[in-house]
Amino acid sequence: GAVVSQHPSRVICKSGTSVKIECRSLDFQATTMFWYRQFPKKSLMLMATSNEGSKATYEQGVEKDKFLINHASLTLSTLTVTSAHPEDSSFYICSATGSQSLADTQYFGPGTRLTVL
Amino acid sequence: QKEVEQDPGPLSVPEGAIVSLNCTYSNSAFQYFMWYRQYSRKGPELLMYTYSSGNKEDGRFTAQVDKSSKYISLFIRDSQPSDSATYLCAMSEGQGGKLIFGQGTELSVKP
Repeated sequence: GAVVSQHPSRVICKSGTSVKIECRSLDFQATTMFWYRQFPKKSLMLMATSNEGSKATYEQGVEKDKFLINHASLTLSTLTVTSAHPEDSSFYICSATGSQSLADTQYFGPGTRLTVL
Repeated sequence: QKEVEQDPGPLSVPEGAIVSLNCTYSNSAFQYFMWYRQYSRKGPELLMYTYSSGNKEDGRFTAQVDKSSKYISLFIRDSQPSDSATYLCAMSEGQGGKLIFGQGTELSVKP
């Protein structure tokens, strides 16, 4: 149980284009989803927290107009990187927690590697 | 000072060795403590979950929490090459689900 998927696993795009990453909880209802960014050999950096049906809460320093997050259902959240630039190249990982999860436990997706040319 | 400190390693051990991974933290309000394992280019996988102080054992893995010292540990017995990964400690206050992660320790178990 507690499986989270992400799509795509890898994406390469041109500078200036927008990229959408999907995060799905496959076997549970995710009341809260989190989006992280991870640089090579670095820990996870929380970008934003989203609750189903509510606006996402962004961490300090994360541009909400650049990283658009939508959590329209209890099983799906999307992250759209708008007008992507090479510095946005990174490993993006989502996680989810649900009412049946152990308190504060997050289950992670496999990640999406974004490369902006 | 970071809220959670973890030695990034890398740590290299021979197969069969006992591995000790540690994190220290400064926030006394942390109540939930987790260890995640992350293989290269993959998302983190929950290994151990502990509430408050004490020990928890699961197979070859033992998690220890000492809240008085603000120190948590993960022990791996009879380490295997398949244990080679980055191990991240994570903790939270239990209010809203936000996790604070350590830097991660890169472990390599040599056959």
